[in-house]
Amino acid sequence: LAKTTQPISMDSYEGQEVNITCSHNNIATNDYITWYQQFPSQGPRFIIQGYKTKVTNEVASLFIPADRKSSTLSLPRVSLSDTAVYYCLVGDRDQAGTALIFGKGTTLSVSS
Amino acid sequence: DAGVTQSPTHLIKTRGQQVTLRCSPKSGHDTVSWYQQALGQGPQFIFQYYEEEERQRGNFPDRFSGHQFPNYSSELNVNALLLGDSALYLCASSFGQSSTYGYTFGSGTRLTVV
Repeated sequence: LAKTTQPISMDSYEGQEVNITCSHNNIATNDYITWYQQFPSQGPRFIIQGYKTKVTNEVASLFIPADRKSSTLSLPRVSLSDTAVYYCLVGDRDQAGTALIFGKGTTLSVSS
Repeated sequence: DAGVTQSPTHLIKTRGQQVTLRCSPKSGHDTVSWYQQALGQGPQFIFQYYEEEERQRGNFPDRFSGHQFPNYSSELNVNALLLGDSALYLCASSFGQSSTYGYTFGSGTRLTVV
């Protein structure tokens, strides 16, 4: 799987929009970009996945530029409960047996 | 609909002992993957089971072994425990060996080796 680079940590306040950028310069044609969220002492939870342009769901938006060498996870109006570690992964979602490869993720701390 | 269930939630073992961790996948899922997560690190892939066979393995020694049963549940066995095996062990289930999409994780088993 392509290697990803993301900030180690970010700080925000409640009600602000948070954007976490992930670099994946060696992304392959068949690779999708997927973000997971992990709270302490819990397993990661799928947030959003995309291939190009923009994807939005009830939790977040994912922006992917045309060259797909980076992506940005956008969390609108964060709350204290959004404090967690966020992982960016890239890989071929349709290839059987491909394991999820996690980096260290971005630790987001939201304060009041 | 139950998600992924792991047992036990916490475990303390002595160096050199053996341990077995258990995982029941989400209903409808047939593939189980195991991950080790050390403190402050991202989860590291151990291996994946599908159709009762190990299909892919990460960079872990043979002390780590597993099994998948006909009902898709799985066990992770670790022999000759080392202090460095202390970690959160996560089980993730999916359908049909799907890749980055469709994984559901359990809350993990916290293993402490003393």
